Amino acid sequence: DGGITQSPKYLFRKEGQNVTLSCEQNLNHDAMYWYRQDPGQGLRLIYYSQIVNDFQKGDIAEGYSVSREKKESFPLTVTSAQKNPTAFYLCASAPGVYQPQHFGDGTRLSIL
Amino acid sequence: DQQVKQNSPSLSVQEGRISILNCDYTNSMFDYFLWYKKYPAEGPTFLISISSIKDKNEDGRFTVFLNKSAKHLSLHIVPSQPGDSAVYFCAASNSGGYQKVTFGIGTKLQVIP
Repeated sequence: DGGITQSPKYLFRKEGQNVTLSCEQNLNHDAMYWYRQDPGQGLRLIYYSQIVNDFQKGDIAEGYSVSREKKESFPLTVTSAQKNPTAFYLCASAPGVYQPQHFGDGTRLSIL
Repeated sequence: DQQVKQNSPSLSVQEGRISILNCDYTNSMFDYFLWYKKYPAEGPTFLISISSIKDKNEDGRFTVFLNKSAKHLSLHIVPSQPGDSAVYFCAASNSGGYQKVTFGIGTKLQVIP
């Protein structure tokens, strides 16, 4: 079954620790995206990648980092520099930048 | 500043009737518009899109209307079914594609059997 897998579904970390959220897709999509959702707000773009080994900052990239070493994987690291990391994180992919994005089921990150 | 606004946080409709979800935008440079549906504990699912060169796009029970002069779009669901109960997100892009999409905060639709 083709799709986008985000793991884990729930993640808890202590304040000051970096944490990496996983996103894997087996759809052979070129483009991948990371969004953040907070209560009462729409999804906000953190980073996106149109091809392997290339990525661009979105609207709220500060305190986050990504890598795109493989086509199927686009991990997101939430660093200790991110002031308010507790949120719901969604990964998405698309065949290309002219096709709508398909989303994973998200990871809810809580900082203790 | 919210560039994509969904002013109704929720909507209730009887099964079989029409559901109309509304969305307003402020950025006149947006050229692609999308609607996504989201069930609890799942990621959003793409529903339908429209480019700014059109004013209507239809896919089965779902129709999206775009009024560029009013900077308004709407999603019509006819007939509404209980399985349509979900949160609907309006989204827009001005990058000539979908690289940078701006989302609204969503409208929760409840279809009452």
